[in-house]
Amino acid sequence: GAVVSQHPSWVICKSGTSVKIECRSLDFQATTMFWYRQFPKQSLMLMATSNEGSKATYEQGVEKDKFLINHASLTLSTLTVTSAHPEDSSFYICSANGLPGELFFGEGSRLTVL
Amino acid sequence: AQTVTQSQPEMSVQEAETVTLSCTYDTSESDYYLFWYKQPPSRQMILVIRQEAYKQQNATENRFSVNFQKAAKSFSLKISDSQLGDAAMYFCAYGNKLVFGAGTILRVKS
Repeated sequence: GAVVSQHPSWVICKSGTSVKIECRSLDFQATTMFWYRQFPKQSLMLMATSNEGSKATYEQGVEKDKFLINHASLTLSTLTVTSAHPEDSSFYICSANGLPGELFFGEGSRLTVL
Repeated sequence: AQTVTQSQPEMSVQEAETVTLSCTYDTSESDYYLFWYKQPPSRQMILVIRQEAYKQQNATENRFSVNFQKAAKSFSLKISDSQLGDAAMYFCAYGNKLVFGAGTILRVKS
């Protein structure tokens, strides 16, 4: 099956710094990628839809200036958490669309903000 | 907006027995996809089974099958011959962007 790689898998940063998480589709091109956030023992919440070559579409309640998304190529989308604070600590997961009805997930990135 | 409801926060099943996880959803669309995903402690999302709404036949993948009732907007997952490795969080999901249900923790007893 198709592979989506997410990096880093675990990151710890100081409050006020920015952190970038990468999501790569390794063996297929993805015009659309999605970013989710998951709190412990809770479901995945869609944060934004990342479209190659255009601005991301954010879900209601998600701060676009806090969570910067860039989809510079058909195989790479990045999520940058700017001026991170402890409440931004979470598990972030990306996914990429293949054929209709196909969605491939990255391994997830655990962010801890001290 | 589409919503997905999983009414069972936790389920238990004896090894080798059968268990059914419930899911209902709400949508005004006529053609869509439904999914069941498994999330083990590693937190990697694993696709269990997928159903296309225009197909009336219930999807089946080995020990996993669904009971898709389009009119009732119900999409339950049946796991037969449960194995210890089936223990995980199971999410029902809708659509291309994936709207997720709250999840059901499945425990398998040996």
